[in-house]
Amino acid sequence: GAGVSQSPSNKVTEKGKDVELRCDPISGHTALYWYRQSLGQGLEFLIYFQGNSAPDKSGLPSDRFSAERTGGSVSTLTIQRTQQEDSAVYLCASSSALSYNEQFFGPGTRLTVL
Amino acid sequence: GENVEQHPSTLSVQEGDSAVIKCTYSDSASNYFPWYKQELGKRPQLIIDIRSNVGEKKDQRIAVTLNKTAKHFSLHITETQPEDSAVYFCAAEDTGFQKLVFGTGTRLLVSP
Repeated sequence: GAGVSQSPSNKVTEKGKDVELRCDPISGHTALYWYRQSLGQGLEFLIYFQGNSAPDKSGLPSDRFSAERTGGSVSTLTIQRTQQEDSAVYLCASSSALSYNEQFFGPGTRLTVL
Repeated sequence: GENVEQHPSTLSVQEGDSAVIKCTYSDSASNYFPWYKQELGKRPQLIIDIRSNVGEKKDQRIAVTLNKTAKHFSLHITETQPEDSAVYFCAAEDTGFQKLVFGTGTRLLVSP
């Protein structure tokens, strides 16, 4: 079946503009993660959704970042008033319910803030 | 919550040598320890994982060992090849939040 998909693959925006990044997880996966990866760096955890539970937002770097997951499936990561330091690859991953199951990553969205 | 530390941050070896990457974790209740490989410009992918009921698991040239008492686990790659060059991430469960926590990654370079 289809894997995790993300859109857009690339996004170039001007400083101060808002952006929305989309993630379509694997069908039936209840867990969804967002990560940020700056060039040559590791996986910075942003937010985690698990079923109908309240999301774990502990990794969001500022209140300019928010995410939602509608109907337990598609998720949108929104960055308001983008800054140059927001430039990175944003990766989404999904897994079936339990934490000890493989995470499948999407191809990422490369965000460039000019 | 879970804290995962990974060493070294970079590792250079000659083709045919072995490579070892080590991780420690803090959540003593954690039972699941996967390793992901991320090639340049690509997404991370699971290469091997181990659960706490075993101490070692092998898959061809890669193996993972787990020491639950000391709370550390390691990835071993034997007979390294240039295509093993990538960034490797370890991870462990945060049993409180029911999520995976990743290490900071190891950049492995295998020179021909």
